[in-house]
Amino acid sequence: DSGVTQTPKHLITATGQRVTLRCSPRSGDLSVYWYQQSLDQGLQFLIQYYNGEERAKGNILERFSAQQFPDLHSELNLSSLELGDSALYFCASSVVVTGGTEAFFGQGTRLTVV
Amino acid sequence: GESVGLHLPTLSVQEGDNSIINCAYSNSASDYFIWYKQESGKGPQFIIDIRSNMDKRQGQRVTVLLNKTVKHLSLQIAATQPGDSAVYFCAEAPYGTYKYIFGTGTRLKVLA
Repeated sequence: DSGVTQTPKHLITATGQRVTLRCSPRSGDLSVYWYQQSLDQGLQFLIQYYNGEERAKGNILERFSAQQFPDLHSELNLSSLELGDSALYFCASSVVVTGGTEAFFGQGTRLTVV
Repeated sequence: GESVGLHLPTLSVQEGDNSIINCAYSNSASDYFIWYKQESGKGPQFIIDIRSNMDKRQGQRVTVLLNKTVKHLSLQIAATQPGDSAVYFCAEAPYGTYKYIFGTGTRLKVLA
């Protein structure tokens, strides 16, 4: 158990809909990262938040947005869903701001868009 | 369980043998590298990391080698066990960022 909690584990929704994925980082970790893992593209970094503020952005679509709340949990909002958005979405957290450290990943949310 | 990828390169090794998984990274500005293991249905799990000022780092049964000249990273697993069966990803990050860039992954199959 990494200490990072993601809900829900599975989500099935229709095209055009909007969903919210939730992540609770490890206790004390200020940084939260979101990744998308699809079959044909591996793990893709989407966005990072640190202590409530956006810190880094990756290949995140404009239809997607995220935020980190004062209690440090984070939500990833996916809207106008398309079939190609079907993927595993992982959240990770770490505590160190500068330099390198390991990121702890949650179990992921499997999103299926039908 | 979850399928991480249908088109991943696969390495099959006999139980007890050593495994070597290779990774080519892309960004010469990357100075921090990590190997992750992902078992079916689970999130990536940290194995070992290395900074660019090192060529080699050893953990328990694992060794990471870094060749900055050719931008190559390898993970060596000694005495491979059935529990090592998983997909292994390398990740790179420029200094001071956490924008980890993951490789496509290699599936390790341990044969009994």
